[in-house]
Amino acid sequence: DAEITQSPRHKITETGRQVTLACHQTWNHNNMFWYRQDLGHGLRLIHYSYGVQDTNKGEVSDGYSVSRSNTEDLPLTLESAASSQTSVYFCASSDWDSPLHFGNGTRLTVT
Amino acid sequence: QKEVEQNSGPLSVPEGAIASLNCTYSDRGSQSFFWYRQYSGKSPELIMSIYSNGDKEDGRFTAQLNKASQYVSLLIRDSQPSDSATYLCAVNGNKLVFGAGTILRVKS
Repeated sequence: DAEITQSPRHKITETGRQVTLACHQTWNHNNMFWYRQDLGHGLRLIHYSYGVQDTNKGEVSDGYSVSRSNTEDLPLTLESAASSQTSVYFCASSDWDSPLHFGNGTRLTVT
Repeated sequence: QKEVEQNSGPLSVPEGAIASLNCTYSDRGSQSFFWYRQYSGKSPELIMSIYSNGDKEDGRFTAQLNKASQYVSLLIRDSQPSDSATYLCAVNGNKLVFGAGTILRVKS
């Protein structure tokens, strides 16, 4: 079965370190998304991609970057982790105007 | 005004009752609407999608869409304790926007 996999599931890091969260999908979807979820804010879009070599900023992109070198992967990098980036991160993928399929999430703690 | 608004709840209903979850949105050009269920510590999972005015039924779930009034609702009939979760409304206009979610608690 097709799926979307995030790793790691849990990560603890220190302020100022670079962190990369992995996302791999086997749906063969063109569209991939990164969200963060915090209490009271719901899901907020960080970055998204509509295909290889395409990346776009979402509403909370500061401090984050992504790259899309193939269809399957969209890694999310925190250039210099900050305590405000402690959150649960979800990767998702979709085909055009179809519902999102979510990964299982990564819980990131920045100390 | 938030783009997609939901009552945060918690909405408490007894087992077997109908749970009614509501969502309003601001983008009149929105064309597709989704309801996701999210259990604590888990990822959102799609339970309903609706694209045209009216009702759409799937088992115990009914999604209702009224574009003129800019609201979409989710009815859960014969609510079960296993329905206790956070329900996220998502609206797709020129971008997909999620509401903050409504916590539903079904009491046995």
